[in-house]
Amino acid sequence: DAMVIQNPRYQVTQFGKPVTLSCSQTLNHNVMYWYQQKSSQAPKLLFHYYDKDFNNEADTPDNFQSRRPNTSFCFLDIRSPGLGDAAMYLCATSRDLPASYNEQFFGPGTRLTVL
Amino acid sequence: AQKITQTQPGMFVQEKEAVTLDCTYDTSDPSYGLFWYKQPSSGEMIFLIYQGSYDQQNATEGRYSLNFQKARKSANLVISASQLGDSAMYFCAMREGPGFNKFYFGSGTKLNVKP
Repeated sequence: DAMVIQNPRYQVTQFGKPVTLSCSQTLNHNVMYWYQQKSSQAPKLLFHYYDKDFNNEADTPDNFQSRRPNTSFCFLDIRSPGLGDAAMYLCATSRDLPASYNEQFFGPGTRLTVL
Repeated sequence: AQKITQTQPGMFVQEKEAVTLDCTYDTSDPSYGLFWYKQPSSGEMIFLIYQGSYDQQNATEGRYSLNFQKARKSANLVISASQLGDSAMYFCAMREGPGFNKFYFGSGTKLNVKP
């Protein structure tokens, strides 16, 4: 089945130690998103790609970076994780633009713990 | 101003009864899409239903229906015949132009279905 895959599902890192979360998709969607979601809150958009075109949200800290080497894969790099970065990280994809009816397809998320 | 407002942080409903989850939105773009997602405790976001701004009829998907009142800018989700498996967080989201890249999420409603 076509899907969005995130690895690992659970990630533990130490304060200040760089960590990379990965996302892959078999849907061949042009747009990929990274969200941060803290407990009982709405997902917060960090950035998105349309093909290789990177779009950063104005309030996304510089500590968060992303790479998209090809259509299928997208990575979230946290350069120096702080305790406040502990959260669920959701990857999502959607079809070509423009069309308001194109929903986002989400991966299962990676739950990041920072010790 | 908030793009999406969900005023019910938590709701209880008896099994087999219907429940309405409220959502209001704010946009000046004539073309937009409204979505509802379900997020169980496992964390994955599951797409439920979509309503386009130009759609004349309210969207329905199985036990889910969307009560779309354009003039009031509301898009309430109605779940009929609630089941225990419906217990989850529910998020209302909107996608608007230009480019339809960005999704705005509400703060969510935690639904608990009682046996």
